[in-house]
Amino acid sequence: GAGVSQTPSNKVTEKGKYVELRCDPISGHTALYWYRQSLGQGPEFLIYFQGTGAADDSGLPNDRFFAVRPEGSVSTLKIQRTERGDSAVYLCASSLRAGQVYEQYFGPGTRLTVT
Amino acid sequence: DQQVKQNSPSLSVQEGRISILNCDYTNSMFDYFLWYKKYPAEGPTFLISISSIKDKNEDGRFTVFLNKSAKHLSLHIVPSQPGDSAVYFCAASGVSYNQGGKLIFGQGTELSVKP
Repeated sequence: GAGVSQTPSNKVTEKGKYVELRCDPISGHTALYWYRQSLGQGPEFLIYFQGTGAADDSGLPNDRFFAVRPEGSVSTLKIQRTERGDSAVYLCASSLRAGQVYEQYFGPGTRLTVT
Repeated sequence: DQQVKQNSPSLSVQEGRISILNCDYTNSMFDYFLWYKKYPAEGPTFLISISSIKDKNEDGRFTVFLNKSAKHLSLHIVPSQPGDSAVYFCAASGVSYNQGGKLIFGQGTELSVKP
């Protein structure tokens, strides 16, 4: 069956530009998570959605980062005025419901490079 | 502040032998722990988990041990196989810490199993 998909797989952008990263979760999964993985580090939590609403956005580093999930399925992570420090692999995961006992299935990630 | 730590960035083991990967955590509110495995250019995949009410969980060749007093867990792989070569991440979550199941990851340990 189809897993979590993320597009684009790679994105190169110039400092100061705006980017959007897309996540298509597994069909029927109500919870969706965004993580960021910098080189040599583990994934770092950014935000999660239960349905359409952002239930916890405590991991977003600053107000340049924003995420939406308008219909409770596809999610878009938006980064304004990109900085070189934003370069990382952005991972999306989905689970049947939000909660620690529900397995999170990860997509392959979007590698963002800010030049 | 790294709440979940994997102090060994890499580990090399001979095929057929035991692999032991270690993880330490600092937040006593964590009550659920997971191990994820990651191949290059893929997202992490769930391997095994353990609740804090247990001290051991076994699934085939994989066993996770939890020592709550030491705030330490380990993953044992027996016997190790070349296909186990990957980066292994330890992760933690807590019901009281956050209801949504967001994961706090360690930095990862790269396991190499030599034929």
